[in-house]
Amino acid sequence: DVKVTQSSRYLVKRTGEKVFLECVQDMDHENMFWYRQDPGLGLRLIYFSYDVKMKEKGDIPEGYSVSREKKERFSLILESASTNQTSMYLCASSLFGEADTQYFGPGTRLTVL
Amino acid sequence: GNSVTQMEGPVTLSEEAFLTINCTYTATGYPSLFWYVQYPGEGLQLLLKATKADDKGSNKGFEATYRKETTSFHLEKGSVQVSDSAVYFCALGWTNTGFQKLVFGTGTRLLVSP
Repeated sequence: DVKVTQSSRYLVKRTGEKVFLECVQDMDHENMFWYRQDPGLGLRLIYFSYDVKMKEKGDIPEGYSVSREKKERFSLILESASTNQTSMYLCASSLFGEADTQYFGPGTRLTVL
Repeated sequence: GNSVTQMEGPVTLSEEAFLTINCTYTATGYPSLFWYVQYPGEGLQLLLKATKADDKGSNKGFEATYRKETTSFHLEKGSVQVSDSAVYFCALGWTNTGFQKLVFGTGTRLLVSP
């Protein structure tokens, strides 16, 4: 089975802190994605990556950056956390050419105070 | 642009009732359509998909048919169980500048009582 793991289930940070959310997948998938999930808005794509060191902006990249130094790991970075970034963050991965069949991690619920 | 609209929840049913969750889409070209499910405390997982018009996706007793004429992909199940309680997301898959992406609806929460 594909396994996508995220470093924390719950995280509380202060405004202005730099925040790292880590995601690891164990199935050698080329594509990796970061979404945020908010009530009434569904899932919105922040960034995705189709290869090591490659990244593409999604629909809401402002205030975020990403890093993919190894194929299995995709990090989401909040350079200076703000309260409007309080949300559930979901990581996903897929095979190249099958980006519509994505495997999701359990999510990180981030609260910014 | 491409978008998905699904019915607001929560949908509350008794065990063994018939389920329909409506989903309609707006898209250019010929997207693929999906239903993902999110059980409490877990990430999303693919439930079923259909890649072209008139295709029927099915899994675990759930079904959905890709209807191009009505731009719909409604999810149905003949007899729900308590274990089906979850949030269901309709999604559309499309290719933009060579990359495939998913666009998700807002999710519909299903609550099934014994």
